Amino acid sequence: DQQVKQNSPSLSVQEGRISILNCDYTNSMFDYFLWYKKYPAEGPTFLISISSIKDKNEDGRFTVFLNKSAKHLSLHIVPSQPGDSAVYFCAATTAGNTPLVFGKGTRLSVIA
Amino acid sequence: GAVVSQHPSWVICKSGTSVKIECRSLDFQATTMFWYRQFPKQSLMLMATSNEGSKATYEQGVEKDKFLINHASLTLSTLTVTSAHPEDSSFYICSARGRLGIYEQYFGPGTRLTVT
Repeated sequence: DQQVKQNSPSLSVQEGRISILNCDYTNSMFDYFLWYKKYPAEGPTFLISISSIKDKNEDGRFTVFLNKSAKHLSLHIVPSQPGDSAVYFCAATTAGNTPLVFGKGTRLSVIA
Repeated sequence: GAVVSQHPSWVICKSGTSVKIECRSLDFQATTMFWYRQFPKQSLMLMATSNEGSKATYEQGVEKDKFLINHASLTLSTLTVTSAHPEDSSFYICSARGRLGIYEQYFGPGTRLTVT
């Protein structure tokens, strides 16, 4: 059973527009959520996170929104830039030293 | 801060030999390290979790005698693929979690293993 789902395997966006990447989860025990960015043949890079006690966290061009009742979170990138083209992974975890549970990723292509 | 390195970045070995991959946290002490494997166009698959000074906890389906993990210090974990076979060819990534924060994991750049 996949606890973290990214239902869109790919997304194309024009440069300068907003990119919205979505993530759904099934485990109500998750209380911390993270987004990672990954280029081919590299390890994932931490982007932004959000605790379950918040519904929004912003860092520069990146904003993560959390809707606990819907068990849904999204990452907004605005404005999108060609350098944002990568695979984005959503991850979730519970309190304590438990490993992150990852979604399958969404490949974002920002077209100039 | 929060830099994790892996060595080697790529390795080619012959079937039946063993390969060791090192993962180091360069600027923080990693109480816990994780080893992942990524197949082409697939997500990260957690192989095992290791805490410094104790035995690793392996995920279901991962052979602990084949993938030996050692976390001997707060900055170093090693993954040894024993008696490697072509199906072990993959991209192996480690990550570390330390006293910097409870939740974030910081990833190494990965190691591409090719078994011929």
